[in-house]
Amino acid sequence: GAVVSQHPSRVICKSGTSVKIECRSLDFQATTMFWYRQFPKQSLMLMATSNEGSKATYEQGVEKDKFLINHASLTLSTLTVTSAHPEDSSFYICSARDVAGTYEKLFFGSGTQLSVL
Amino acid sequence: GESVGLHLPTLSVQEGDNSIINCAYSNSASDYFIWYKQESGKGPQFIIDIRSNMDKRQGQRVTVLLNKTVKHLSLQIAATQPGDSAVYFCAEKAPGKLIFGQGTTLQVKP
Repeated sequence: GAVVSQHPSRVICKSGTSVKIECRSLDFQATTMFWYRQFPKQSLMLMATSNEGSKATYEQGVEKDKFLINHASLTLSTLTVTSAHPEDSSFYICSARDVAGTYEKLFFGSGTQLSVL
Repeated sequence: GESVGLHLPTLSVQEGDNSIINCAYSNSASDYFIWYKQESGKGPQFIIDIRSNMDKRQGQRVTVLLNKTVKHLSLQIAATQPGDSAVYFCAEKAPGKLIFGQGTTLQVKP
């Protein structure tokens, strides 16, 4: 079945540093990728939608200069948390939709636990 | 609507019993819904979906019911097993994206 690979699975960093999270579709072309954030015991909150070759669309309240998203190819999207602070500590999850664009074929990565000290 | 800031309710059931997990959605125009299962430290896994032109859909040990009148979804799990312990989310399709509901933690007691 289709697989979305997300790396790293866990990262600990110092306050003020930047962290890059990768999301790859391994056996299909993902024209659209979604980035979610999830705090402990809460639901997934959509942060942004990225389409290959174009600028990401950010949800209201999400700082685009803080959370940089790049979707340069049909198989790779990256999320960079710039100048991370403790309040950015969260579980970040990507998902990818295939070229058919159906939500039945929306696959999720395994998530990245970010801890900012 | 989105449930940011709300902690997940918990449903505790005995192994072998049936579980019913409920979800309210916000947009009466939503035409597609999905139930996901999320285990600790992992991404969501697709369980079952339903379109708005249906009110019931069955899978293996799972059934989804849709009540459009009151904007309510439910997920029924038959003969709940310890491996069913997880957080369950409903999601509704909005233009260009999926919006996740509040979620429910299911605990299965042996």
